[in-house]
Amino acid sequence: EVQLVESGGGLVQPGGSLRLSCAASGFTFSDHYMDWVRQAPGKGLEWVGRIRNKANTYTTEYAASVKGRFTISRDDSKNLMYLQMNSLKIEDTAVYFCARVPGRGNDLDYWGQGTLVTVSS
Amino acid sequence: IQLTQSPSSLSASVGDRVSITCRASQGIGSYLAWYQQKPGKAPKLLIYTASTLESGVPSRFSGSGSGTDFTLTISSLQPEDFATYYCQQLYSYPLTFGQGTKLQIK
Repeated sequence: EVQLVESGGGLVQPGGSLRLSCAASGFTFSDHYMDWVRQAPGKGLEWVGRIRNKANTYTTEYAASVKGRFTISRDDSKNLMYLQMNSLKIEDTAVYFCARVPGRGNDLDYWGQGTLVTVSS
Repeated sequence: IQLTQSPSSLSASVGDRVSITCRASQGIGSYLAWYQQKPGKAPKLLIYTASTLESGVPSRFSGSGSGTDFTLTISSLQPEDFATYYCQQLYSYPLTFGQGTKLQIK
């Protein structure tokens, strides 16, 4: 059974940093691209970014709103993906989901339950 | 690429046939997915490549369209279908979602 479990959320002050983790199980993690998607309280979904697999040299893509502040990485030996968030802003407050990209295309077929990040003074 | 869903909210009854549209600001071929989200839960993939039903999703859900105009149709609403629905374009980065359509019980 495919499982994705996010962790690392919490309360952080504006300008601070936080690192989220996504633990994957039930599939060959190293084969798949992985995404982060967020959802501000009461709002819609916002795509945050993607990391490709080793065969595609772990390259990344980001939304304009987080580019230069957020970094996605992965450790295939541990089946973990990370989201390093720096220079956090109040508007980064959201539930952050990790999601799997299936091999067939760019859609997201499995999602974690999310972890809440609150940026507030 | 901007995606505009309509309507933003919709009231319907069990057994109704409903359609939600998603319009892209430029052509995206068939690179579109639809997701369902219930309160406090993660989104669930329903449809990919505009019209392909994800495994395990009931056949009352269907998708159509290509280019800039897409539709998600639920042929006969069931109580568990009341949720928020999002489209997502998968054509170019940054990948983007529509603003969502909240489907409520009439």
